Amino acid sequence: EVQLVESGGGLVQPGRSLKLSCAASGFTFSNYYMAWVRQAPKKGLEWVATISTSGSRTYYPDSVKGRFTISRDNAKSSLYLQMNSLKSEDTATYYCARLDTVAYWYFDFWGPGTMVTVSS
Amino acid sequence: DIQMTQSPSLLSASVGDRVTLNCKASQNIYKNLAWYQQKLGEAPKLLIYNANSLQTGIPSRFSGSGSGTDFTLTISSLQPEDVATYFCQQYYSGNTFGAGTKLELK
Repeated sequence: EVQLVESGGGLVQPGRSLKLSCAASGFTFSNYYMAWVRQAPKKGLEWVATISTSGSRTYYPDSVKGRFTISRDNAKSSLYLQMNSLKSEDTATYYCARLDTVAYWYFDFWGPGTMVTVSS
Repeated sequence: DIQMTQSPSLLSASVGDRVTLNCKASQNIYKNLAWYQQKLGEAPKLLIYNANSLQTGIPSRFSGSGSGTDFTLTISSLQPEDVATYFCQQYYSGNTFGAGTKLELK
């Protein structure tokens, strides 16, 4: 059974940093592109980052480019999101998600999410 | 950036009804569209990919159609467990989600 479990969320002050983790199991982690998607309270979904199977290629929207870094450790079946210079608008539930194929970037499995609150 | 517009934002329907949710892209995305269901307090679940392909394990009452800029998610016979918010997502260029349609029972 595919499982994705995020951790590392919490309350952080504006301008500070936070690192999220996602532990994957039930599939061959190294064979899949992975991503982070976030959802602000009572809002819609926003794609945050995608990483290739080896980790050599990463992709971000302009809203987080230069502040967030996605990475992975295939030996540990783990995905990470380093978030720097956090802003109040980064407050959201962050989901770890698996991309079904390299060709089509939809997300076939999601973790339950971890909440990040950016506030002084 | 490609914008995704979903309508209606709120839909009330009765058990057994045929329900149609709409999603419109700001430019041609061919069939690069997915639909997700999100129940309250849960993560999204993939229902449909490539506009009309049913994800494994999803009931056949769910179906998707459309291409280009206009897409539809249809529930052929609404069930109580279908109460949720439904999001569309384009993956033709980057990833963009619609704002969602909240489906409730009448």
